[in-house]
Amino acid sequence: AQSVTQPDIHITVSEGASLELRCNYSYGATPYLFWYVQSPGQGLQLLLKYFSGDTLVQGIKGFEAEFKRSQSSFNLRKPSVHWSDAAEYFCAVGAGDDKVIFGPGTSLSVIP
Amino acid sequence: NAGVTQTPKFRILKIGQSMTLQCTQDMNHNYMYWYRQDPGMGLKLIYYSVGAGITDKGEVPNGYNVSRSTTEDFPLRLELAAPSQTSVYFCASSTTLAGKGETQYFGPGTRLLVL
Repeated sequence: AQSVTQPDIHITVSEGASLELRCNYSYGATPYLFWYVQSPGQGLQLLLKYFSGDTLVQGIKGFEAEFKRSQSSFNLRKPSVHWSDAAEYFCAVGAGDDKVIFGPGTSLSVIP
Repeated sequence: NAGVTQTPKFRILKIGQSMTLQCTQDMNHNYMYWYRQDPGMGLKLIYYSVGAGITDKGEVPNGYNVSRSTTEDFPLRLELAAPSQTSVYFCASSTTLAGKGETQYFGPGTRLLVL
């Protein structure tokens, strides 16, 4: 069965610093991969997704993610974090059917 | 274009009470989903629907029921509320299969407390 792990429960970075959030998945074939962001008190919003082609994917708000098949990873990056990026980030995998499996989330705090 | 709307925003229930969480989307999406979010657990799928009149169980369906009489509405019913159902509930929709790369659009959530 497919699964998603996000090893970091909580990360704190200073404003202007770079960010990398880790995501590992378990799935036999090429997965459909997503990163969603949840701001406090809000629903989830798609940041970016990957399902084929270029393994480096650009998203909204200056985020990017890289699919590495050999490592079963889909890490999210941003070169310079803004205070407004403080939120919960969820990695998710689709297995080609109706459903998407979400990881447990990584909470990001930003120090001004 | 309001997207996905959910009511109520917050509710307190007593054990054994029942309630319906409302979800409406105005994007003419065929697929709709109900998730619950518990701290440190991510989102768990409760039920989903691939179109009006068609629903199916997700990962954690026990204690819940759904119906889909129209494309726009997908209510979630709790018949006998239990403390284990204290959670934040999210409704989402998509045009086609989310598991094949389609974006899901989420509502703002309903926070439910069962005492």
